[in-house]
Amino acid sequence: DAGVTQSPTHLIKTRGQQVTLRCSPKSGHDTVSWYQQALGQGPQFIFQYYEEEERQRGNFPDRFSGHQFPNYSSELNVNALLLGDSALYLCASSLGLGMNTEAFFGQGTRLTVV
Amino acid sequence: GQQLNQSPQSMFIQEGEDVSMNCTSSSIFNTWLWYKQDPGEGPVLLIALYKAGELTSNGRLTAQFGITRKDSFLNISASIPSDVGIYFCAGHPNTNAGKSTFGDGTTLTVKP
Repeated sequence: DAGVTQSPTHLIKTRGQQVTLRCSPKSGHDTVSWYQQALGQGPQFIFQYYEEEERQRGNFPDRFSGHQFPNYSSELNVNALLLGDSALYLCASSLGLGMNTEAFFGQGTRLTVV
Repeated sequence: GQQLNQSPQSMFIQEGEDVSMNCTSSSIFNTWLWYKQDPGEGPVLLIALYKAGELTSNGRLTAQFGITRKDSFLNISASIPSDVGIYFCAGHPNTNAGKSTFGDGTTLTVKP
């Protein structure tokens, strides 16, 4: 049973560039949420996708956008990268939008902006 | 927005000791979750709590959902070296599993 997989595991980008991160949910899951985790802090919710639509969004600027594909996989795009965007980006998958469903996390993508 | 205050920030304990950490919120949550994160990995769910007052165990771990719905604690009994890591509390208010608010974690170090 494949868990949540993210790619790439690490990448380095230059300020002002754009980046795309990818996530495949756990088998059987249809909902994907993205989090940003800065060093020494807990994950911060970016947004959630279900049925190929953004369902909820945290307090992140429009430079952060996403997409969900028919196979439930998802992408996170960040435009005009800032140094402060350097963080571990985590993808979590779950089943549906109900409250008592558990979310499983991938290992994350470590983004460094220089 | 909602905030979770997690304490202590870090703990240094001897192998075999019990550990207790807690989380308080400025607002009510309907679900409390406890995760452990190892270096280079994503958080792994340890315990999920869905009802106020609920006490749930997972091996040596025990967690409780506070009656006020604004707090939760996690206890680890008889700690072992592999308990080392960062422990996060997280909560959902009236939304769904994907949108969790996380605390800033408790870093646990266990000395053999």
